[in-house]
Amino acid sequence: QVQLQESGPGLVKPSQTLSLTCTVSGDSISNDNYYWSWIRQPAGKGLEWIGHIYTSGITNYNPSLKTRVTISVDTSKNQFSLKLSSVTAADTAVYYCARGQRWLQTFDLWGRGTLVTVSS
Amino acid sequence: QSALTQPASVSGSPGQSITLSCTGTSSDVGGFNHVSWFQQHPGKAPQLIIYDVTNRPSGVSNRFSGSKSGNTASLTISGLQAEDEADYYCSSYTSSTTLVFGTGTEVTVL
Repeated sequence: QVQLQESGPGLVKPSQTLSLTCTVSGDSISNDNYYWSWIRQPAGKGLEWIGHIYTSGITNYNPSLKTRVTISVDTSKNQFSLKLSSVTAADTAVYYCARGQRWLQTFDLWGRGTLVTVSS
Repeated sequence: QSALTQPASVSGSPGQSITLSCTGTSSDVGGFNHVSWFQQHPGKAPQLIIYDVTNRPSGVSNRFSGSKSGNTASLTISGLQAEDEADYYCSSYTSSTTLVFGTGTEVTVL
């Protein structure tokens, strides 16, 4: 059974860089049928797509976050990662990693999510 | 990119049918059949219930059905049950090769 698990610091100081990793278990991350995504949700608010990466290295980012976001993949570790720079309190949210279906453009598998708080 | 527009809340009695809407533009919902719906219970991760406008993943109840007309997609929940009380989000592929979510609808079972 394929599972995704987010990991990383739960507290980040303003102006610093938020870094999270998603570990994929039960299948190879190199499967070309999928892309690997980050999605976030502030408390009491809706979902926001951050971006995704194919294992070829091709990325797509939300235009509103594009200047601050980097998503990378490490196929040897079956992991992909998110870096969000210059964070503010507005970046406080539950961050989900998710598997995207390349040909269906949907998210069929999600991690449980991890809360990241931006505060000094 | 702007979030797709969903009603903030919809309610219904057990056994009834309700319909949730998701309105976008010709650059997203209206231009592609890659519209999905997700169900999210409190404190849980979203779960895919509809993809490509009308298709249900294996294991999802056939009480959930999707459709689309123009720039508006819809999710119908038939035979409403207490367990359907949750938040529902739509998503769509866009002409910019990005993905966008809807604002979300809270479903209450009266």
